Amino acid sequence: GAVVSQHPSRVICKSGTSVKIECRSLDFQATTMFWYRQFPKQSLMLMATSNEGSKATYEQGVEKDKFLINHASLTLSTLTVTSAHPEDSSFYICSARRSGGVTDTQYFGPGTRLTVL
Amino acid sequence: SQQGEEDPQALSIQEGENATMNCSYKTSINNLQWYRQNSGRGLVHLILIRSNEREKHSGRLRVTLDTSKKSSSLLITASRAADTASYFCATDAYQAGTALIFGKGTTLSVSS
Repeated sequence: GAVVSQHPSRVICKSGTSVKIECRSLDFQATTMFWYRQFPKQSLMLMATSNEGSKATYEQGVEKDKFLINHASLTLSTLTVTSAHPEDSSFYICSARRSGGVTDTQYFGPGTRLTVL
Repeated sequence: SQQGEEDPQALSIQEGENATMNCSYKTSINNLQWYRQNSGRGLVHLILIRSNEREKHSGRLRVTLDTSKKSSSLLITASRAADTASYFCATDAYQAGTALIFGKGTTLSVSS
């Protein structure tokens, strides 16, 4: 099956710093990637849709200036948490759809655990 | 945004028993998928059922879909301790390129 990787898998940072998380589709091209956030004992909440070559679409309540998304190529999307605070500590998961628009399985990355001290 | 509720929120059973989890959703869908997540880990895709299907089997898993009631159920038969995890349904809308939307999940605990 298709593989999606995330890097880093775990990051600890100080409050006020910025953290970049990478999401790569390893064996297929993805014009669309998605970023989710999951707080402890909760479900995955969609944060934004990342479109290659254009601006991301953010869900209601997600600050676009705080969570910067860049989808510069068909295999890479990045999420930068700017000026991170302890309340941003969460599990961030990306997913990717194959190019072509087939509405079947999305492929999920293994997630990145962010801890802000 | 989330589609809807899953029930129960938590389920505790003994090994060998069956576990049934339900999921409701709000909008029209192309398909519905079930995922498992062990504590602190990533998602594992279990099964996908399309909107024109009513039932699907995969090993010890049985999924039903009732589009008229906008609901689905996941049955795990002869449960094992290794089935202990959180289970989420996720709906795929009819429009191409849209994200999967997850339900709130059921936490299953299987004791030996």
